[in-house]
Amino acid sequence: EAQVTQNPRYLITVTGKKLTVTCSQNMNHEYMSWYRQDPGLGLRQIYYSMNVEVTDKGDVPEGYKVSRKEKRNFPLILESPSPNQTSLYFCASSGTGTGTYEQYFGPGTRLTVT
Amino acid sequence: GQSLEQPSEVTAVEGAIVQINCTYQTSGFYGLSWYQQHDGGAPTFLSYNALDGLEETGRFSSFLSRSDSYGYLLLQELQMKDSASYFCALRGVTGGGNKLTFGTGTQLKVEL
Repeated sequence: EAQVTQNPRYLITVTGKKLTVTCSQNMNHEYMSWYRQDPGLGLRQIYYSMNVEVTDKGDVPEGYKVSRKEKRNFPLILESPSPNQTSLYFCASSGTGTGTYEQYFGPGTRLTVT
Repeated sequence: GQSLEQPSEVTAVEGAIVQINCTYQTSGFYGLSWYQQHDGGAPTFLSYNALDGLEETGRFSSFLSRSDSYGYLLLQELQMKDSASYFCALRGVTGGGNKLTFGTGTQLKVEL
């Protein structure tokens, strides 16, 4: 089954404790992206990657890091999480055939930073 | 940058037709997408307009007018399962078309 998976699905952590949210896709997609979703703000892009070792900032990259060492994986790293990073996070992927306008989203990771 | 505006909420009755509007400001874009998101779920792709005009996919249609900086999603023969949030999203020219900017979403409530 074609899918994007994220782990963990739920995470409660404390301020300053480094964490990684994993994202993996099995569709051989070149493009992957991370979004955060907050009430009233819609989805905002954090980082995206056009292919292995190629990443770029989205609209809200501060406080986040990413890496793309393998085509299927695109982890999101919070080096020193803060309460304002409490949010619902989505990973997405798309192939170059459809362009980035048709993205497949993972199930989401709900992060709470206390 | 880019910004998109949508009504926060729309209510319609089962079987009716509803239009969800999206107005935008951008310095350049490749196209406008629409996504559906049910409560607790992930966004799913519905439709894309690269050119002006109407794109039809079953009960869903999407329209774009670049001259008016405006698009809409049209849902026909509404069903209860269409109750969800709907987002428009611009694929901007910045970043080679790899940046997608979403609107704040419209919550559609379908009533009996």
